[in-house]
Amino acid sequence: KAGVTQTPRYLIKTRGQQVTLSCSPISGHRSVSWYQQTPGQGLQFLFEYFSETQRNKGNFPGRFSGRQFSNSRSEMNVSTLELGDSALYLCASSLWTGSSGNTIYFGEGSWLTVV
Amino acid sequence: AQSVTQLDSQVPVFEEAPVELRCNYSSSVSVYLFWYVQYPNQGLQLLLKYLSGSTLVKGINGFEAEFNKSQTSFHLRKPSVHISDTAEYFCAVSDFTGGGNKLTFGTGTQLKVEL
Repeated sequence: KAGVTQTPRYLIKTRGQQVTLSCSPISGHRSVSWYQQTPGQGLQFLFEYFSETQRNKGNFPGRFSGRQFSNSRSEMNVSTLELGDSALYLCASSLWTGSSGNTIYFGEGSWLTVV
Repeated sequence: AQSVTQLDSQVPVFEEAPVELRCNYSSSVSVYLFWYVQYPNQGLQLLLKYLSGSTLVKGINGFEAEFNKSQTSFHLRKPSVHISDTAEYFCAVSDFTGGGNKLTFGTGTQLKVEL
């Protein structure tokens, strides 16, 4: 069974540009969450999608957005990139949302460098 | 609001020695607790989780953790570490209520196993 797949794995963008990251969850999983990992702030929750609806959102500016498609694949977009957006972006998937029986699986991450 | 404190940012230990990585949490509601491991340039892998029942939880790779409600702790232990255990370890908490699958992570503990 394939795990959580994230693309691209590495990318470099220029300040002011926008970026789109993609995540394919484990087959059958309907919940997809996104996290940002930086040395200074650690692991921070961005947002979660379940059945194409945003369930919850972390404390990030509106430049960070996401969406989920009918096949549960998800994308996140960051517009007007800033140097501080350089981070590892992790996608996680699980079968359900809001259930204590959930196991949340993470992908390998997308490394974004903003120059 | 929930929070997680990992008291040690780095833990050096010799191979075959026991190790304990400390985690304390704060929450006003019942929570579920997790330990994840991150190897260099990789995503997060679930080691173990506490949802309910026995307070001693066994996970993969010989790790175990004990939930202590009175001390609000969930320390991770391994009786004999291997060089391959060198990685960063994250403690996380969720209440799986209206917040969906949101995980709140600690700042991580770098375990360095030396020969």
